[in-house]
Amino acid sequence: AQKVTQAQTEISVVEKEDVTLDCVYETRDTTYYLFWYKQPPSGELVFLIRRNSFDEQNEISGRYSWNFQKSTSSFNFTITASQVVDSAVYFCALSEAGGGSEKLVFGKGTKLTVNP
Amino acid sequence: GAGVSQTPSNKVTEKGKYVELRCDPISGHTALYWYRQSLGQGPEFLIYFQGTGAADDSGLPNDRFFAVRPEGSVSTLKIQRTERGDSAVYLCASSPDRVSNEQFFGPGTRLTVL
Repeated sequence: AQKVTQAQTEISVVEKEDVTLDCVYETRDTTYYLFWYKQPPSGELVFLIRRNSFDEQNEISGRYSWNFQKSTSSFNFTITASQVVDSAVYFCALSEAGGGSEKLVFGKGTKLTVNP
Repeated sequence: GAGVSQTPSNKVTEKGKYVELRCDPISGHTALYWYRQSLGQGPEFLIYFQGTGAADDSGLPNDRFFAVRPEGSVSTLKIQRTERGDSAVYLCASSPDRVSNEQFFGPGTRLTVL
C-alpha cells in the first residue's frame, strides 16, 4: 500500500529563515510520481512540483528546492529566505504510474507559519 | 483560462438529507478526480473518471456516495442520507489525461451536516 508521512505537523519560523519540510513515502511500485502542493488560507491546492521515480536530480525553482533520495524514500522541500506569503499548509503526495488511476495519496500536511 | 470550479462553495444540510456537489473541470481535461478533506488532514481519494466512465471508485466510503459524469465534462457527486461524519471539504481536480498526471484542484465545497 502507498503511504506518505509528513512528521512535522507545524513549523514556525521568522521571515528570511530557511526551512525544510520533510516527506517520507512508502510504495511497492518501481515507477511512481511524487508531488508537493501548497494550500494557503484561501483553501485552494496549488501545484508546486512533480518528480518521477527515475529522476533523482534535485530541482531548484527560485527560493524553492527539492531533494529526492530514493535510498531513504524521502522527498524534502526547502524554502530559502522564507517570506510571510509562504505561510500555508504544504502537502506531499504520491501516485503510482501506469495502469492505474494515478490517484494522489497525500500526507497529513505541514502547517508553515512565517512570522514577520 | 478558467480553472476548475465547484458549486456550491458551502452547503449546510441536515442529517438524513440528500446533497449534490458539482464540479466543472478545465475545458478539455479528460481525467477528473474527487477527494475529501477533513479538518487537519490531507485530501483522500474518492473516485476517478476517465471520460464518462468511473475508472476507479475504490475510495467511495459506502453506497451512500455516488458520482456521475454523463457527458465527460461536468461531474456531480451525490450523497444520500447524509451523516454528520460526511462533513468535510469536497475537492475536485482535473488533469489533461491520466498519463500527464498533474492534477489541478478546484476551491472545494465545504459540506456541513447538522
